[in-house]
Amino acid sequence: DTEVTQTPKHLVMGMTNKKSLKCEQHMGHRAMYWYKQKAKKPPELMFVYSYEKLSINESVPSRFSPECPNSSLLNLHLHALQPEDSALYLCASSPGLQRGVSGANVLTFGAGSRLTVL
Amino acid sequence: QKEVEQNSGPLSVPEGAIASLNCTYSDRGSQSFFWYRQYSGKSPELIMFIYSNGDKEDGRFTAQLNKASQYVSLLIRDSQPSDSATYLCAVMPGSQKLVFGQGTRLTINP
Repeated sequence: DTEVTQTPKHLVMGMTNKKSLKCEQHMGHRAMYWYKQKAKKPPELMFVYSYEKLSINESVPSRFSPECPNSSLLNLHLHALQPEDSALYLCASSPGLQRGVSGANVLTFGAGSRLTVL
Repeated sequence: QKEVEQNSGPLSVPEGAIASLNCTYSDRGSQSFFWYRQYSGKSPELIMFIYSNGDKEDGRFTAQLNKASQYVSLLIRDSQPSDSATYLCAVMPGSQKLVFGQGTRLTINP
């Protein structure tokens, strides 16, 4: 299994809703990532988990709350979002974060969850 | 100066020709370099990664890295219409986070 699976594919929510995005991988990867991508822009890093611990938080607003229940799962909890948060949210995983180890930091992306905030 | 810079294009290349995509980066400590392809509405997919100076070939794709000049490129030989996409250069500097360039939109004309 060489896939990263994201659900849901599409999500529409109001500014007062609470929802979650889910990501799952069964490649034995130990690092997992959340990226946000707006139209015609490159992906922007939000969070990195390494061995189920949060290792990087790119100063993301607290209305986005990541969770890594185990080494295969990554969630992004959403609450009180703004219309400008509408974007494609990409989950990715990599074998690890080690430098100099061939392929250890190669990211595999999921298909993404397209979020619309009304 | 942006961490990773690419010409946003669009770059238009005739079918069968060589497409050349370029990228420069600012952090001299960077050790890992990646090229991703992204079709409209889809997620990025890895084409190649390169760690060492020189060329790395995989089928019709060749990545070239010159750390002294802080320059990485991607050559696509025998370009096909299916190669039309946005190509994202990505660099992993010392902070271990993957930083993307703005992407180059490539169009292959039949």
